[in-house]
Amino acid sequence: AQSVTQLDSQVPVFEEAPVELRCNYSSSVSVYLFWYVQYPNQGLQLLLKYLSGSTLVKGINGFEAEFNKSQTSFHLRKPSVHISDTAEYFCAVSAAGGFKTIFGAGTRLFVKA
Amino acid sequence: GAVVSQHPSWVICKSGTSVKIECRSLDFQATTMFWYRQFPKQSLMLMATSNEGSKATYEQGVEKDKFLINHASLTLSTLTVTSAHPEDSSFYICSARRVAETDTQYFGPGTRLTVL
Repeated sequence: AQSVTQLDSQVPVFEEAPVELRCNYSSSVSVYLFWYVQYPNQGLQLLLKYLSGSTLVKGINGFEAEFNKSQTSFHLRKPSVHISDTAEYFCAVSAAGGFKTIFGAGTRLFVKA
Repeated sequence: GAVVSQHPSWVICKSGTSVKIECRSLDFQATTMFWYRQFPKQSLMLMATSNEGSKATYEQGVEKDKFLINHASLTLSTLTVTSAHPEDSSFYICSARRVAETDTQYFGPGTRLTVL
């Protein structure tokens, strides 16, 4: 079985500052990793995903994440955030080729002016 | 591409009534759809996996008779909350997987259910 831990429940940051949202996972098999963003009262939007290959994954809205197998991490980064990035971010994991996706508890990114 | 819609976006009903929520993949075929429940400021909890033409697979602790799921076609799955009670109030989100893309789920916008 897989599990995922998002280490920060809330991350406040000033506009134009860099941000990192942390995610660690556990699994006994190869995994796929995902980051989703959720705006209030909306569904989830895929930011990026890691399936295989290059460990640095670039996504939409200037976000990127790096898969680190030795540290079982998949942290999300953005070099300069905007007010509009304020949202809930979910890290998720599934077994490679598997069926279910397990979601982390979420990290609330709050960008301040 | 890969747009998923849900209807209604919000619904208020009286205790004891049943509510049906539709999940549609608008521009792709989805052999598998998932239904999640999300409580305020919490993560998504998988309720069931819906496969076209077969019975849904429910997660442990989810009442099959309470949450009826039907996946009648490759583009439509429905969740019916039967005899709804206030504790069923929640945000329900569906997702779908494209036939040729089994690694990624595309999410609907969610349905806010409030049971009075």
